[in-house]
Amino acid sequence: DVKVTQSSRYLVKRTGEKVFLECVQDMDHENMFWYRQDPGLGLRLIYFSYDVKMKEKGDIPEGYSVSREKKERFSLILESASTNQTSMYLCASTDTTVNTEAFFGQGTRLTVV
Amino acid sequence: GENVEQHPSTLSVQEGDSAVIKCTYSDSASNYFPWYKQELGKGPQLIIDIRSNVGEKKDQRIAVTLNKTAKHFSLHITETQPEDSAVYFCAASSYSSASKIIFGSGTRLSIRP
Repeated sequence: DVKVTQSSRYLVKRTGEKVFLECVQDMDHENMFWYRQDPGLGLRLIYFSYDVKMKEKGDIPEGYSVSREKKERFSLILESASTNQTSMYLCASTDTTVNTEAFFGQGTRLTVV
Repeated sequence: GENVEQHPSTLSVQEGDSAVIKCTYSDSASNYFPWYKQELGKGPQLIIDIRSNVGEKKDQRIAVTLNKTAKHFSLHITETQPEDSAVYFCAASSYSSASKIIFGSGTRLSIRP
């Protein structure tokens, strides 16, 4: 059974903290994505990666960075968390064939206080 | 870049009736249009998709139609059941966008018993 696993279901962090969200996939997929989900706004793409050490900005990259040192792992980093980054974060992966199914993790609900 | 608009944001239908969700896209290069279902506490899962060389696709109670000229596509669910209650997302992507998937804002579908 294919799987995308996010390290935490719930996180509470303080304003100004550095936050790491981790995502691991076991399908040997080349492409990995981080989305942010907010009510009424759908899924907005933060960053994506199409290969190890490669990354591209999505639609809302401000305040975030990413790291992909190994093919199976894609990390989202909030350098200095702010309250407006309170949200649900979803990781996804797809294989190298263009236009295929995206597999999502279960999501991490981050609250910044 | 691609922009996907989705309507309605909420939809309530009587069990057994049909539900229709509509999306429009902006990038004429988009050629892949998946639909995802997100149940409470879970990540989105692909339920059906359609490619630009096809006008309609059906899988049991769900069907998707695509009008490339008008740049819109729709999800149709017939004989709705309680388990159809969820949030549904449409999405679009194209080969030129290197597998980047852009999602609509989501529709919360509720099935009334």
